[in-house]
Amino acid sequence: AQKVTQAQTEISVVEKEDVTLDCVYETRDTTYYLFWYKQPPSGELVFLIRRNSFDEQNEISGRYSWNFQKSTSSFNFTITASQVVDSAVYFCALADSGGYQKVTFGIGTKLQVIP
Amino acid sequence: AAGVIQSPRHLIKEKRETATLKCYPIPRHDTVYWYQQGPGQDPQFLISFYEKMQSDKGSIPDRFSAQQFSDYHSELNMSSLELGDSALYFCASSLAIPGATNEKLFFGSGTQLSVL
Repeated sequence: AQKVTQAQTEISVVEKEDVTLDCVYETRDTTYYLFWYKQPPSGELVFLIRRNSFDEQNEISGRYSWNFQKSTSSFNFTITASQVVDSAVYFCALADSGGYQKVTFGIGTKLQVIP
Repeated sequence: AAGVIQSPRHLIKEKRETATLKCYPIPRHDTVYWYQQGPGQDPQFLISFYEKMQSDKGSIPDRFSAQQFSDYHSELNMSSLELGDSALYFCASSLAIPGATNEKLFFGSGTQLSVL
């Protein structure tokens, strides 16, 4: 069975601080995919990144960066120099390689960036 | 760029009523997924369709049914509504071929269903 754990339910940071959101996953598959989604107060789910299990290269996209470590089954997300617009719930998710996607979401981490 | 369209955006129903939620995937996307997100909860997978056939089933109650039509849009039908059905219902689409490399899911803005 797949499982995604986001141990931090809520985080508050002051604007311009860096913040890391943790994600730990469990799966028996050797091929799988990890995602991060952002859900701002308006409610929609916004895709941020997809990473497959064979690609452990870390990725940076502007102020966002992701650290994928298979050895610890973690896929952490860091926001550098946070901004108020980053305030949202962030979901980590896992999909297996069964062809038909059935994404398992973590419970989400609510990030509040204080001006 | 076209996105996943869901309608209605908000829906208010009373207990025991029925509701129909619609989802229009991104053009050329042939896979549709439905998720239910209760207040303060993570999205829970309900059901998915590929090429107009049900491809997978999650925690969808028997009171709910869904289908994907020839134009690939999908409808989620909910009967005998209960208070606990109040949630944000997301539809997502992808261009995914069974057994091939997964693609990312694109989500709609969701339908907020309130059962009174």
